[in-house]
Amino acid sequence: DMKVTQMPRYLIKRMGENVLLECGQDMSHETMYWYRQDPGLGLQLIYISYDVDSNSEGDIPKGYRVSRKKREHFSLILDSAKTNQTSVYFCASSLSQGGYAEQFFGPGTRLTVL
Amino acid sequence: GDSVTQTEGLVTLTEGLPVMLNCTYQTIYSNPFLFWYVQHLNESPRLLLKSFTDNKRTEHQGFHATLHKSSSSFHLQKSSAQLSDSALYYCALYTNKVVFGTGTRLQVLP
Repeated sequence: DMKVTQMPRYLIKRMGENVLLECGQDMSHETMYWYRQDPGLGLQLIYISYDVDSNSEGDIPKGYRVSRKKREHFSLILDSAKTNQTSVYFCASSLSQGGYAEQFFGPGTRLTVL
Repeated sequence: GDSVTQTEGLVTLTEGLPVMLNCTYQTIYSNPFLFWYVQHLNESPRLLLKSFTDNKRTEHQGFHATLHKSSSSFHLQKSSAQLSDSALYYCALYTNKVVFGTGTRLQVLP
């Protein structure tokens, strides 16, 4: 069963705490993505990873960093979380970075920073 | 840079009426890929349809869209809305990276 998983699904943190969001996929996809979704702003790309240790900034990378040490895992780290990072975070993967490649999304993580 | 515009934040219509969700884009690349993703409530986005061929109609699950490079448009249409079509719809553009629009929420009423 091909899928993208995300852990945790819900998370509440205090401002200044560190946050680790994890994503996994079982499709051996090369490319993985982290997005955040906010009402009225749609899906905004935070980081893209083309393969292990090959990561690039998206449109809104400030305040975030990522790690990809295995092809099937892609982590999003928030060092010292801020209240404006409260959002729903989606991980996605695609077979390649080619334009026609469909993205498969995980179920999302709802992060609240108090 | 590249951009996608979805002018309607919310579209409300009655079951059985036709659906049209607007999507226009801007890019300097001559061969963009365009996508529609659909996200139902409490679910994650999933691909609805995609195209890169100019003036060719693409269909899936009762929806269709035609990429018109002359007008930089990729509007999503359906002949008759169903209650189950209520969802958030994203138009997306790929050239050398992917860009999503802000989304249009479609609300179908009985």
